[in-house]
Amino acid sequence: SQKIEQNSEALNIQEGKTATLTCNYTNYSPAYLQWYRQDPGRGPVFLLLIRENEKEKRKERLKVTFDTTLKQSLFHITASQPADSATYLCALNRDTGRRALTFGSGTRLQVQP
Amino acid sequence: DGGITQSPKYLFRKEGQNVTLSCEQNLNHDAMYWYRQDPGQGLRLIYYSQIVNDFQKGDIAEGYSVSREKKESFPLTVTSAQKNPTAFYLCASSIVASSQGNTEAFFGQGTRLTVV
Repeated sequence: SQKIEQNSEALNIQEGKTATLTCNYTNYSPAYLQWYRQDPGRGPVFLLLIRENEKEKRKERLKVTFDTTLKQSLFHITASQPADSATYLCALNRDTGRRALTFGSGTRLQVQP
Repeated sequence: DGGITQSPKYLFRKEGQNVTLSCEQNLNHDAMYWYRQDPGQGLRLIYYSQIVNDFQKGDIAEGYSVSREKKESFPLTVTSAQKNPTAFYLCASSIVASSQGNTEAFFGQGTRLTVV
């Protein structure tokens, strides 16, 4: 079956460390993968988009990798801050016949001061 | 300010009643979407619309209905046929409905629906 899997357990890290979140997918071949941030009780906010032929994409303290062989994307936040605490969702378009994003369940990140 | 507005923020419905959630955008986007989010879960697609007067079912369309009479508006009706309507409902828009997944989605702030 087709799945997008993110670690359902919360990730707790110390301020200043690098947070790494994982998004695995099975039985899809997405051309693009997106990452969003969601704060409690609010709508998700777009962070980064990466193409299948891009190995890595950076934006300030954020870095995303996309390994189409492993069917995995990694999302890194360097020099993490308590303000980075949120749930992070990955999303992709699971087939070209459907013009809407499919989201993973998200991983909650908690950065301790 | 450009954006996407959902109303109301909180909504209470009695069992057996239909209720309509509002979603308006002034971003001039062609595509609009409705997702449902349950606690600890990801977003599940209810319906989406690529263009005015067009809409497609998502993964969990049963018990819901939509209309797209204007580009700016995509209201969602939760009918009495929806067995478990209590959830957080999110509306989104994007410039176009991409088949590749390369267009950013802009989300509203959500409506929390509770059946009492």
